[in-house]
Amino acid sequence: DAGITQSPRHKVTETGTPVTLRCHQTENHRYMYWYRQDPGHGLRLIHYSYGVKDTDKGEVSDGYSVSRSKTEDFLLTLESATSSQTSVYFCAISESWGPSAGELFFGEGSRLTVL
Amino acid sequence: KNEVEQSPQNLTAQEGEFITINCSYSVGISALHWLQQHPGGGIVSLFMLSSGKKKHGRLIATINIQEKHSSLHITASHPRDSAVYICAVATLQGAQKLVFGQGTRLTINP
Repeated sequence: DAGITQSPRHKVTETGTPVTLRCHQTENHRYMYWYRQDPGHGLRLIHYSYGVKDTDKGEVSDGYSVSRSKTEDFLLTLESATSSQTSVYFCAISESWGPSAGELFFGEGSRLTVL
Repeated sequence: KNEVEQSPQNLTAQEGEFITINCSYSVGISALHWLQQHPGGGIVSLFMLSSGKKKHGRLIATINIQEKHSSLHITASHPRDSAVYICAVATLQGAQKLVFGQGTRLTINP
């Protein structure tokens, strides 16, 4: 199994509080992604990173920020959590992109509930 | 209309049946992924395709780039194959991002 871990795995928080989810990889892969998964929507990209300090927005980035100060860590921050951000969050990594892309490896997911 | 459409959305079959799940997409792609998600959440990559066909055990994935279509086949299906199967495409337009289908929920009864 690929070395990718997410923390925390479960979190319940209140509206307006900040939340940070951590994705840690031991594979030295270049690309890291944060997705959210909601019923009826499938997986949707929040932010991704293509290297240390290189990040870009995905399709549902509003209300989220990310940071990648080291190859192995990709942090997702909700500055002020809202109930609409209740979801399951998945981190994923890949070594390359495009036609030569290898596998995607996913973390186990982090279930966030915002009350 | 979604850029990636899967069919069927739900599929129930008996153990031993041959299973086919389809994925059609409307954009130019550089690669297509098939993923498996078991109840309880974990997502596992099954295949990455950019052309032709790949086989791993009882699973076979094919892609037709001209027709913008991919299929995932499961031979001799087993209850442990029960999961949600997700198709995702790496588009040519969107840098470093995947577009996901809604998933196909497969249930194999003993």
